[in-house]
Amino acid sequence: QKEVEQDPGPLSVPEGAIVSLNCTYSNSAFQYFMWYRQYSRKGPELLMYTYSSGNKEDGRFTAQVDKSSKYISLFIRDSQPSDSATYLCATTNAGNNRKLIWGLGTSLAVNP
Amino acid sequence: SAVISQKPSRDICQRGTSLTIQCQVDSQVTMMFWYRQQPGQSLTLIATANQGSEATYESGFVIDKFPISRPNLTFSTLTVSNMSPEDSSIYLCSVSPGISYEQYFGPGTRLTVT
Repeated sequence: QKEVEQDPGPLSVPEGAIVSLNCTYSNSAFQYFMWYRQYSRKGPELLMYTYSSGNKEDGRFTAQVDKSSKYISLFIRDSQPSDSATYLCATTNAGNNRKLIWGLGTSLAVNP
Repeated sequence: SAVISQKPSRDICQRGTSLTIQCQVDSQVTMMFWYRQQPGQSLTLIATANQGSEATYESGFVIDKFPISRPNLTFSTLTVSNMSPEDSSIYLCSVSPGISYEQYFGPGTRLTVT
């Protein structure tokens, strides 16, 4: 079993839809959770960074962590064609020498 | 956050040769990381490069193949040695500034080995 599982998609939605992207993880020691967006031929860009359980909102993006279920989510409201990209989740725990454990990434296409 | 640049942005190299990739950060950072990303795949950590110490390599990556330098707190290089077509990939550097755990990435170097 991989430490972080993420459905690679592809996911295709119409413009304006609410998008839900998800990852599960196996190690209950993971405390820090990140979502990155990667456009084609670009480096990953940090979207959201959360610690422990709870929600964090930034504009149209909401990150959610449920440590009891070992489940993390990224919601995109009012999705735009410019949101079309690959979304990667990553996690780590204190003392892991800052090494991130990555999901496979989910490819998202938002159609106008 | 941090602004990171990489050189070259892309290159096509012949098998058996070596390529050195440069990573420059706009602020001083202790921890830098080098990743490889195959097309359509997630990121694979090659090594962690801390200034003042030897790089720490992940399983499957060795110093003879991927020597790393970290001469100061804003710069690092990764060399891909004795290249084969299997080394064709995107190489990314990242930094983890401050006390939190997030990483910031450079734009990547797209390497093709023929």
